[in-house]
Amino acid sequence: NAGVTQTPKFQVLKTGQSMTLQCAQDMNHNSMYWYRQDPGMGLRLIYYSASEGTTDKGEVPNGYNVSRLNKREFSLRLESAAPSQTSVYFCASSGQGNTEAFFGQGTRLTVV
Amino acid sequence: LAKTTQPISMDSYEGQEVNITCSHNNIATNDYITWYQQFPSQGPRFIIQGYKTKVTNEVASLFIPADRKSSTLSLPRVSLSDTAVYYCLVGYGGATNKLIFGTGTLLAVQP
Repeated sequence: NAGVTQTPKFQVLKTGQSMTLQCAQDMNHNSMYWYRQDPGMGLRLIYYSASEGTTDKGEVPNGYNVSRLNKREFSLRLESAAPSQTSVYFCASSGQGNTEAFFGQGTRLTVV
Repeated sequence: LAKTTQPISMDSYEGQEVNITCSHNNIATNDYITWYQQFPSQGPRFIIQGYKTKVTNEVASLFIPADRKSSTLSLPRVSLSDTAVYYCLVGYGGATNKLIFGTGTLLAVQP
């Protein structure tokens, strides 16, 4: 059972480049989340999807877009990367109405 | 979701019991209290969840007073491997399932 899988694990982008972070879960969870964590800081919610077909903004959505492709997959896109988006990005999933979330191993993104 | 307040950091020694308190004054009737543990370079991991009174599992206990405006995570006999950041999260994950993490408490366990 893989749980939550994120790709890639590491990425370096130049300012202005675009990229998509992929996330997939195999636990049949309804809800999925994208967080960012800056060095020495807590997690901040970027976007979340309470169920397939729905997405909503979190605390820091500016500069990002998301797609809930199907129940398993939730992708995060940076259209024009900026150095301020250098961070570790975590994807998570949880069952409907459940606050027990399962996290991926993270994607370490550097924008130069 | 209810805003939470935790100490920024705590120090302890191996073998001691550690209690980390979280304040959540505006907790809603349906909200649950959930604690997570995060090691460096890893995603957070669920530890324990409760609604009222006391909950215990194989790694921790969670104490919640009657007014539910605070909660205390208790880690018995900590070891060096318990050094981590601990997050308190309050919510019910209902229709919106929006999970907001606070700043967390860095627990440093020394020999």
